[in-house]
Amino acid sequence: DIQMTQSPSSLSASVGDRVTITCRASQSISSYLNWYQQKPGKAPKLLIYAASSLQSGVPSRFSGSGSGTDFTLTISSLQPEDFATYYCQQSYSTITFGQGTRLEIK
Amino acid sequence: EVQLVESGGGLVQPGGSLRLSCAASGFTFSSYDMHWVRQATGKGLEWVSAIGTAGDTYYPGSVKGRFTISRENAKNSLYLQMNSLRAGDTAVYYCARYAGSEGAFDIWGQGTMVTVSS
Repeated sequence: DIQMTQSPSSLSASVGDRVTITCRASQSISSYLNWYQQKPGKAPKLLIYAASSLQSGVPSRFSGSGSGTDFTLTISSLQPEDFATYYCQQSYSTITFGQGTRLEIK
Repeated sequence: EVQLVESGGGLVQPGGSLRLSCAASGFTFSSYDMHWVRQATGKGLEWVSAIGTAGDTYYPGSVKGRFTISRENAKNSLYLQMNSLRAGDTAVYYCARYAGSEGAFDIWGQGTMVTVSS
């Protein structure tokens, strides 16, 4: 199976900060990379699909980039509702997720 | 409203069985691949099973031979039959719609908790 490694595992930031989360695949996955946001006690929510496409209804402060093995999720200006855990997921082969990045308020 | 609602979770002894259900509404259920994804408390997401529109099924090694995914399109329902349950299967189980055009899980249920314990 393809291993997905996110960094950092946790991150402290302030409202208004620009934040970047990285996801690395153990082999090339082209652009078959998705990003999800999960808040405590809730189901994950799709933010970005196919590495860089914004899901309908998701604020434009979220963006994704990358291809091959290295990908990033960027939040341009953190809002209070963005503090959550973020997961990457590949759909190139047997589905696997990254271990998650917990974004906390500084 | 597009919605997925899971049910059937609960407490079961090791070695026991449980059947989860997922009721879909607001979309043409038969046109989508459907998946189950689980999450142990405080842990990350783990893909559990998938079923295609033609009824083809897929599993990771951790549950293959113990779990069976199925669907009943006439009832807009997805199921997960879980046998030979282990403590490591304890988790919240989510059903999720797979949007093939996006290659992603675009709709998730609220989850149902499965606890395997004596």
